[in-house]
Amino acid sequence: QKEVEQDPGPLSVPEGAIVSLNCTYSNSAFQYFMWYRQYSRKGPELLMYTYSSGNKEDGRFTAQVDKSSKYISLFIRDSQPSDSATYLCAMNTGGFKTIFGAGTRLFVKA
Amino acid sequence: NAGVTQTPKFQVLKTGQSMTLQCAQDMNHNSMYWYRQDPGMGLRLIYYSASEGTTDKGEVPNGYNVSRLNKREFSLRLESAAPSQTSVYFCASSAGQMSNQPQHFGDGTRLSIL
Repeated sequence: QKEVEQDPGPLSVPEGAIVSLNCTYSNSAFQYFMWYRQYSRKGPELLMYTYSSGNKEDGRFTAQVDKSSKYISLFIRDSQPSDSATYLCAMNTGGFKTIFGAGTRLFVKA
Repeated sequence: NAGVTQTPKFQVLKTGQSMTLQCAQDMNHNSMYWYRQDPGMGLRLIYYSASEGTTDKGEVPNGYNVSRLNKREFSLRLESAAPSQTSVYFCASSAGQMSNQPQHFGDGTRLSIL
């Protein structure tokens, strides 16, 4: 069993929809939670970075962490075709080794 | 502002050949990392360097060596390439000595081994 599970998709939504992306994990020691966006043939770029449980909002993006359920989510409001990419969740206990999910491919149709 | 720069962007090797992938960052970061990305597997850590002069193994170090040349540069070497090492390789850096500082990635080296 992988430490971090992420549905690979693809997820296809119409422009303007609310998108929900999720990851589950097994290691209760994870404290730092991140979401990266990766466009085709590019490196991952950091979208959201949260510590411990709770919500964090940045523009159209909201990250949620539920440590009791070992579940994290990324919500994208008013989705745009430019949001079409692969979204990677990532987690860290505070050391040097960050564990990444396999990524969810998102397509936003105009 | 270049961020993290990787060279080359593409490379095709024959089994048994050697190669060094180069990475440089201009953000004055202490820590640097090498990952490989395979379909369905996500990013897996090969080696990392917490600070200049130190290197440590990650999750999948076999078949690779690294050198932290200075604070800016971190190279990855394949001594005898194998088809199983066909992958996309990403270099990353982070500000703090601890990995809870978000990592910044380069755009990758796409490596095919025949």
